[in-house]
Amino acid sequence: DGGITQSPKYLFRKEGQNVTLSCEQNLNHDAMYWYRQDPGQGLRLIYYSQIVNDFQKGDIAEGYSVSREKKESFPLTVTSAQKNPTAFYLCASSRGDDYGYTFGSGTRLTVV
Amino acid sequence: AQSVTQLDSQVPVFEEAPVELRCNYSSSVSVYLFWYVQYPNQGLQLLLKYLSGSTLVESINGFEAEFNKSQTSFHLRKPSVHISDTAEYFCAVELSGGYNKLIFGAGTRLAVHP
Repeated sequence: DGGITQSPKYLFRKEGQNVTLSCEQNLNHDAMYWYRQDPGQGLRLIYYSQIVNDFQKGDIAEGYSVSREKKESFPLTVTSAQKNPTAFYLCASSRGDDYGYTFGSGTRLTVV
Repeated sequence: AQSVTQLDSQVPVFEEAPVELRCNYSSSVSVYLFWYVQYPNQGLQLLLKYLSGSTLVESINGFEAEFNKSQTSFHLRKPSVHISDTAEYFCAVELSGGYNKLIFGAGTRLAVHP
């Protein structure tokens, strides 16, 4: 079955360390997205990519970086510059037409 | 720019009662509208969407939403809820035409009590 896989499901890191969250899709979707979810704030867009080797900043890109070297993969790095990295991170993909997004099951990052 | 307002952060309701989750959006251009559902510690699942045509759209599990252009609303309703409907619900808007960003509301937590 096609879908989006995010790993790991739970991640703990010490303050000041960079950490990379994985997102892989086998839906042959062109576009991929990273959202951050905090209680009471809904989902906020971090980065998105519409084609391989190209990506754009979303609303809260500071302290994050991404790459899109393959169509299937869109990893997110949370750097030490991110002031408050503890959150639930969701990856999504879309065909780019009117079918909406498909979401992964998320990664809960806790920085201690 | 587009924005989405979900008017209730929490909605408690008893099992088998009707429920309405309210969503208003702002946009000066044509948009697509979506409702997603999120169960604890999971990703979002598409519940239903409005693209064009009939203003009333339905999901397979009894939810429906009506697009009201004059009131810029897309409220979600269910005539009789179940315990299993307890979840967080997100309204979202996307510029029509494809390859555009989804803008989400803050979410409404539906709590169904026995």
